[in-house]
Amino acid sequence: KNEVEQSPQNLTAQEGEFITINCSYSVGISALHWLQQHPGGGIVSLFMLSSGKKKHGRLIATINIQEKHSSLHITASHPRDSAVYICAVFTGNQFYFGTGTSLTVIP
Amino acid sequence: DVKVTQSSRYLVKRTGEKVFLECVQDMDHENMFWYRQDPGLGLRLIYFSYDVKMKEKGDIPEGYSVSREKKERFSLILESASTNQTSMYLCASSFRQGFGYTFGSGTRLTVV
Repeated sequence: KNEVEQSPQNLTAQEGEFITINCSYSVGISALHWLQQHPGGGIVSLFMLSSGKKKHGRLIATINIQEKHSSLHITASHPRDSAVYICAVFTGNQFYFGTGTSLTVIP
Repeated sequence: DVKVTQSSRYLVKRTGEKVFLECVQDMDHENMFWYRQDPGLGLRLIYFSYDVKMKEKGDIPEGYSVSREKKERFSLILESASTNQTSMYLCASSFRQGFGYTFGSGTRLTVV
């Protein structure tokens, strides 16, 4: 049983496309994180959400606490957005991680 | 910016060797974590520490131990490396539980 489910697992897009990655979770959370992992392994935290919506440049993250669902949107996608995007939820005691969405943006 | 530094990006070790993975953070964070990441399984917590000389088991501690003698350094030890410990290992630190996580760049360990 996975506490955090992401979809899709793999995604290929043309440069300029609008991209959505979804995350559903089954546990009560105090915060949800979206992480970005580039080839080579390093992970960067993109957003931490407990409600509503956050925007940073071309990235937008939303969360619906009642539905236990979050989405990460990328507008005007670019090849440098190619990475694995990981959803992680924090329950107050521990983190649960999704298995990641591998995004490839083709020029 | 907080920096979390892992000493090696790539390591190849033989079965049975004792392996040390080092992690250093430079922002006086109380909390440090070791994860392994495997395809299809995501990140899984091995051990964590909330203070110097303090350690707690995560979800998959078997075959591993840790050491935190100084606040800035958290070491992961494989007492006798096995091929099923071939993985990507990621260290993280945070100033408060659940918040302000910073990850290192990862160590890809291959045990042959």
